[in-house]
Amino acid sequence: NAGVTQTPKFQVLKTGQSMTLQCAQDMNHNSMYWYRQDPGMGLRLIYYSASEGTTDKGEVPNGYNVSRLNKREFSLRLESAAPSQTSVYFCASSEAGWSEKLFFGSGTQLSVL
Amino acid sequence: SQQGEEDPQALSIQEGENATMNCSYKTSINNLQWYRQNSGRGLVHLILIRSNEREKHSGRLRVTLDTSKKSSSLLITASRAADTASYFCATGLQGAQKLVFGQGTRLTINP
Repeated sequence: NAGVTQTPKFQVLKTGQSMTLQCAQDMNHNSMYWYRQDPGMGLRLIYYSASEGTTDKGEVPNGYNVSRLNKREFSLRLESAAPSQTSVYFCASSEAGWSEKLFFGSGTQLSVL
Repeated sequence: SQQGEEDPQALSIQEGENATMNCSYKTSINNLQWYRQNSGRGLVHLILIRSNEREKHSGRLRVTLDTSKKSSSLLITASRAADTASYFCATGLQGAQKLVFGQGTRLTINP
């Protein structure tokens, strides 16, 4: 049982490049989330998907787009990367929303030069 | 300022001692959760306590919640070197689809 799987684990981009972070969960969870973690800032919510077919903005959505491809997969896209997007990105899932515990992936460390 | 703020920011104790971390928050919550993060890894859920609960236990972990003071504490008893990690509280806000994380407490257990 893999839980939440994120790819890639590390990525270096140049300013202006685009990329997609992939996330998949095998726990049949309804809700999925993307967070970023910066030193001294805790985790901040970028986007979330309460259920298949829905997506909503979180605290820091600017510069990102998401796709809930199916119940298992939730991807995060950076269309034109900026140095301010250098961060560690975490995908998470839960059975049904914020009242349940979250299961996290191992993270993607992204550097934008 | 943060909805959930942990205190202290860093804590260093000897193996075998108890570790206590605190979390304060500002607005009404549905639940409060504690997570652990080992260096370079994702967060792992420890305990969820709902707003109508006052205390929960899980193994060596004890969590209390005081909604009148808008605060929670996480107690780790008989600490081990493997408990070295960052610990985060996360508050599920009442009336909002949100789980807000604090900045974390970095716990170091010295052998």
